[in-house]
Amino acid sequence: QITLKESGPTLVKPTQTLTLTCTFSGFSLSTSAVGVGWIRQPPGKALEWLALIYWNDDKRYSPSLKSRLTVTKDTSKNQVVLTMTNMDPVDTATYYCAHQSQAYCGGDCWPFDYWGQGTLVTVSS
Amino acid sequence: SSELTQDPAVSVALGQTVRITCQGDSLRTYYANWYQQKPGQAPVLVIYGKNNRPSGIPDRFSGSSSGNTASLTITGAQAEDEADYYCNSRDSSGTLFGGGTKLTVL
Repeated sequence: QITLKESGPTLVKPTQTLTLTCTFSGFSLSTSAVGVGWIRQPPGKALEWLALIYWNDDKRYSPSLKSRLTVTKDTSKNQVVLTMTNMDPVDTATYYCAHQSQAYCGGDCWPFDYWGQGTLVTVSS
Repeated sequence: SSELTQDPAVSVALGQTVRITCQGDSLRTYYANWYQQKPGQAPVLVIYGKNNRPSGIPDRFSGSSSGNTASLTITGAQAEDEADYYCNSRDSSGTLFGGGTKLTVL
């Protein structure tokens, strides 16, 4: 059974750096064709992809946020960490991590099949 | 930059069929995935790839695609299908989400 859970601060001040941790179980990020993604959703708005990290340490970032994001993995702890610098009130959102697998369509779809519950991060002074 | 475009809102009468569409250049290369999100909940994968349903997803949900457009069809919509629906696909940078479609079941 695959589960993921996000953790981190619920409140950050403008200009601060946000660090979120995704702790997962039921799979290993050292297994081929597996990834973990970060997706956020401002209140009342759409999902927005932020970052992906794959089993082979390949990392992908949203072009619009690339300069502010870093994603890393700790395979031994079953954790993925996202850092986002220079936080702004517009970054207030629920942040989700999700499991992604190539197993479904041989690389042509890579769905997010398991999601964490999400964690609401508010940016305010 | 790439993007996926969805109609903001769609409505359907109870028991009728509704199609939700998603347009984008990435869909010419990659399949769409579809997620259902109800208020206060995390998204749930309902369709992936060409037309595949994860375990537990009712068979009234189906997917199709043509050119740069992917579609999610709900045949015989139920009250519990009222939700936001998001399409998603791979692209050259990583992945993309559409802007979401709010489905109202009348």
